[in-house]
Amino acid sequence: GENVEQHPSTLSVQEGDSAVIKCTYSDSASNYFPWYKQELGKRPQLIIDIRSNVGEKKDQRIAVTLNKTAKHFSLHITETQPEDSAVYFCAARGAGTALIFGKGTTLSVSS
Amino acid sequence: GAVVSQHPSWVICKSGTSVKIECRSLDFQATTMFWYRQFPKQSLMLMATSNEGSKATYEQGVEKDKFLINHASLTLSTLTVTSAHPEDSSFYICSAPSGDYEQYFGPGTRLTVT
Repeated sequence: GENVEQHPSTLSVQEGDSAVIKCTYSDSASNYFPWYKQELGKRPQLIIDIRSNVGEKKDQRIAVTLNKTAKHFSLHITETQPEDSAVYFCAARGAGTALIFGKGTTLSVSS
Repeated sequence: GAVVSQHPSWVICKSGTSVKIECRSLDFQATTMFWYRQFPKQSLMLMATSNEGSKATYEQGVEKDKFLINHASLTLSTLTVTSAHPEDSSFYICSAPSGDYEQYFGPGTRLTVT
């Protein structure tokens, strides 16, 4: 089955800096790679996703890149703000299968 | 987007009792639903795949006799934690796919076993 590795587990940046979180996956059949932000005790909130037929996707300060050959994808947050502080999860799934999550990254943005 | 509801949002039960959690897709039909468990400061771990009209598929290490799943209709899946113990205390989240890509998550159920 799918296995998703996520790094780093914690990330501290200064306000205005960029933050990068990286994930690798194992199943070449996976075709959907979302990123979630989760607040304590709440459901994961989708912030951006990318499908396997696309190499990069951007939404304002957030971007995701996908390298299918290397089986890795990354989340890039530019101009970080204190409100970006949260736990972020990457995930991967193939058609008809469940999302498998990475272990999460706790991002802290200090002002 | 699609909406998934979950009930109850939190429950406290005594050790040895059973607890049922409901997951509903409100505006779409879901032949498949997924159940996840999340312990504090950990990731979401897939427990099982719930299939409408057939048996659930459990992930390795998840006891099927302890976590009973019933997918009775195209909009409802239930998870029953039988003979609950304190180590079953966790955050349980269901989700349902709509199409080939995105999964929609319920708000989660906080289970505390005393």
